[in-house]
Amino acid sequence: NAGVTQTPKFRILKIGQSMTLQCAQDMNHNYMYWYRQDPGMGLKLIYYSVGAGITDKGEVPNGYNVSRSTTEDFPLRLELAAPSQTSVYFCASSEGPKSSYEQYFGPGTRLTVT
Amino acid sequence: GESVGLHLPTLSVQEGDNSIINCAYSNSASDYFIWYKQESGKGPQFIIDIRSNMDKRQGQRVTVLLNKTVKHLSLQIAATQPGDSAVYFCAENFPGGTSYGKLTFGQGTILTVHP
Repeated sequence: NAGVTQTPKFRILKIGQSMTLQCAQDMNHNYMYWYRQDPGMGLKLIYYSVGAGITDKGEVPNGYNVSRSTTEDFPLRLELAAPSQTSVYFCASSEGPKSSYEQYFGPGTRLTVT
Repeated sequence: GESVGLHLPTLSVQEGDNSIINCAYSNSASDYFIWYKQESGKGPQFIIDIRSNMDKRQGQRVTVLLNKTVKHLSLQIAATQPGDSAVYFCAENFPGGTSYGKLTFGQGTILTVHP
């Protein structure tokens, strides 16, 4: 199993550009999550999904959108990038209700908006 | 332990010593507490969790202690090894109803193990 994969690893965006961060998992996990991690800080939840077709906002959803058309994929869309979105983005998955706190994380995407 | 600000708390230990990492959590309504380890350049890795109806849970070389009276969580690592060097985060679930694994993370503590 590859686990949770994320692409790209690094990206530099100009202010106002848009992009999609890709996330895929091959563990057949129902739950998936997007977090951002700012320097010297813990992770903050952006969006999460409990299954294909079901998504909901986390703690810091503004400026982002997600979709979940399949169990495997959970892309994160940034529209009109702003410098405040410079961060490292992590995607994670977990099996489901009984083990939702045991989350498996991808390697992250480092995004810089200038 | 956790603190507000951009400078992470740090803990330096010698290989073979026991390490204790502390965390003050914020919400008395949280009912799950989790420890994650993050090595440099990688995503966090689950270590151990504990429910609020417990005060101690042991894993392999790790023990988590929960003191709900003072909202304090600690992670004890026995016989610390250089491979334990990482940033350690405590996390608590979003309280209320079914939280779907939604977590609030603390700021983290840097553990450095010297050979």
